Parts: sequence; C-alpha cells; structure tokens
Amino acid sequence: DVKVTQSSRYLVKRTGEKVFLECVQDMDHENMFWYRQDPGLGLRLIYFSYDVKMKEKGDIPEGYSVSREKKERFSLILESASTNQTSMYLCASQPGTVNTEAFFGQGTRLTVV
Amino acid sequence: GQQLNQSPQSMFIQEGEDVSMNCTSSSIFNTWLWYKQDPGEGPVLLIALYKAGELTSNGRLTAQFGITRKDSFLNISASIPSDVGIYFCAGQLGNSGYALNFGKGTSLLVTP
Repeated sequence: DVKVTQSSRYLVKRTGEKVFLECVQDMDHENMFWYRQDPGLGLRLIYFSYDVKMKEKGDIPEGYSVSREKKERFSLILESASTNQTSMYLCASQPGTVNTEAFFGQGTRLTVV
Repeated sequence: GQQLNQSPQSMFIQEGEDVSMNCTSSSIFNTWLWYKQDPGEGPVLLIALYKAGELTSNGRLTAQFGITRKDSFLNISASIPSDVGIYFCAGQLGNSGYALNFGKGTSLLVTP
C-alpha cells in the first residue's frame, strides 16, 4: 500500500512564525502536491513538484513556499504565518503524469493564533 | 485549476437507501477519480476511471466515466452508517499532466 505521511496531525502557531509542514511518501512517486482545504471551498492546490528540486505554483501560492530536496519528501513552508492560513493542509503523491491516481496523507490541521 | 461542478452539495438519507452524486466539467478529462474523506482525515481513493464509458464497481459503489468525458457519477447502493463522509470527484485534464482538479464535495449523512 502507498503510504503518505504528514509529520503532524495538529499544529498551533503564532502569527508571524515560520512554519514547516513535512510530507513523506514511500512509493518512489514522481509527483507530490500540497493542497489546503477550507469549508465551502474544497481542495485548492498550493504548489506541486514533478521532480526533485522542481516546483510549480498552484492556484494559491501566495504566502507559501516549498522544498523538495529528496524524491520522497516535500515540505510546505509558511514564511510568516497569518490567521488566514488557518486550514487543513493535505499532501498527496502521484506515480506519474497520465492516468494515475493521487494518494493523500492524513492531513495537518493548522491553527494560527 | 478548473473547479468541477459536483452535486448535490449534501445528502441526508436513511440507512438502506441508494445514493447518487455526479460531477460535470466544461472541459474534457482523461481521468476521473472518486474519493471519500472521513472527518479529520485525508481523502481515500474509492474508484479510478480511465476510459470514456467505463463503468467500475467497488463493493456497493459504482462509478461511470461519461461518454462525453465531461462528467462522472458515483452510486452507493444500500447505504450504511459508515458511508457517512464527504465524497469528492477529481479529474485530470487531457492537456495537463499533473495536478488533479477537484469538486467541492458531497457531504453524506446516513441515519440508522
């Protein structure tokens, strides 16, 4: 079974802090994604990566950056956390680019106070 | 990315009833996927569809890839209380290679 693991289930951070969300997948997948999920808005793509050290902006990249130094690990960074970044963050990985499913981690519920 | 139109937004049904939900798009998709999300958890893949017209089952769940490649539906037969959750459709555009596009979800509540 594919396993996508996010480092924290719940996080509480203060406004202005730099926040790191970590995601690791164990199936040698090429592609990895970060989404945020908010009530009524569904899943929105923040960033994705299709190779080590490669990254592409998604629909809502402002206020976020990412890092992919190793194939199995994809990190989401909130440079200076703000209260409007309080959300559920979901990491996903995908084996390839055509006709492939995405597998999700368990999610990180981030609260910025 | 493109937002898919998923309906209904929510459903409140009795145990044993059948459920149907669908997704539509203005664009052609290569892949349709259906996920279920339990409260506080990440989405879990239920069914994957790769060909127009394809009909696939997974236990009490059946999903179809529309002939036009612009829609898909998911049916749940004889619902049970553990079917409660949010169901998402997701599609991959024909000219993309990467990120999926998601519907906003159908929230399903099942009463015993």
